[in-house]
Amino acid sequence: DAGVTQSPTHLIKTRGQQVTLRCSPISGHKSVSWYQQVLGQGPQFIFQYYEKEERGRGNFPDRFSARQFPNYSSELNVNALLLGDSALYLCASSLSEYGELFFGEGSRLTVL
Amino acid sequence: AQSVTQLDSHVSVSEGTPVLLRCNYSSSYSPSLFWYVQHPNKGLQLLLKYTSAATLVKGINGFEAEFKKSETSFHLTKPSAHMSDAAEYFCVVTYTGGFKTIFGAGTRLFVKA
Repeated sequence: DAGVTQSPTHLIKTRGQQVTLRCSPISGHKSVSWYQQVLGQGPQFIFQYYEKEERGRGNFPDRFSARQFPNYSSELNVNALLLGDSALYLCASSLSEYGELFFGEGSRLTVL
Repeated sequence: AQSVTQLDSHVSVSEGTPVLLRCNYSSSYSPSLFWYVQHPNKGLQLLLKYTSAATLVKGINGFEAEFKKSETSFHLTKPSAHMSDAAEYFCVVTYTGGFKTIFGAGTRLFVKA
């Protein structure tokens, strides 16, 4: 079975641009969550979606938004990119809201 | 505020000696607790999880963790370290009230030959 897949794996943007990151959960998983991992730090929770509804939000500005589609895949959007948004963005899926998280390999965003 | 504290940023042990990675969390009703491992340039992998069953939880690769509610701790142990255990370890707590998943800052484990 395929694991959690994320795209793109690497991307470079300039300040002020917008980016969309995509995540496909493991088949049957209805929960998707997003995390930002800055180099040398632990992942920071951004959003969690379950059954297409936002169920949790971390301490990130409104420039960050996400959504979950009927097939449970998800997109994370970041507007007006700042240098500090450079990070590894991780997506995780789980069967339930509070279950074990299965992580993708991440999308590494570099903002110049 | 909800928080997860990993008490050591780095731990260094010799191969074959015990490992102890410490984690404390802020108190909450029925938290779910996890330990994840991240090897260099690889994704996060679940080691073990506590979800209000037995307080001593066994995970993969010989790791264990004990949930102590009175101390709000969830320390990770392994009786004998192996070179392949060298990695970054994260203690993770999911708070069910107002859903939120919080990672500790991580503990880098070094294993010396």
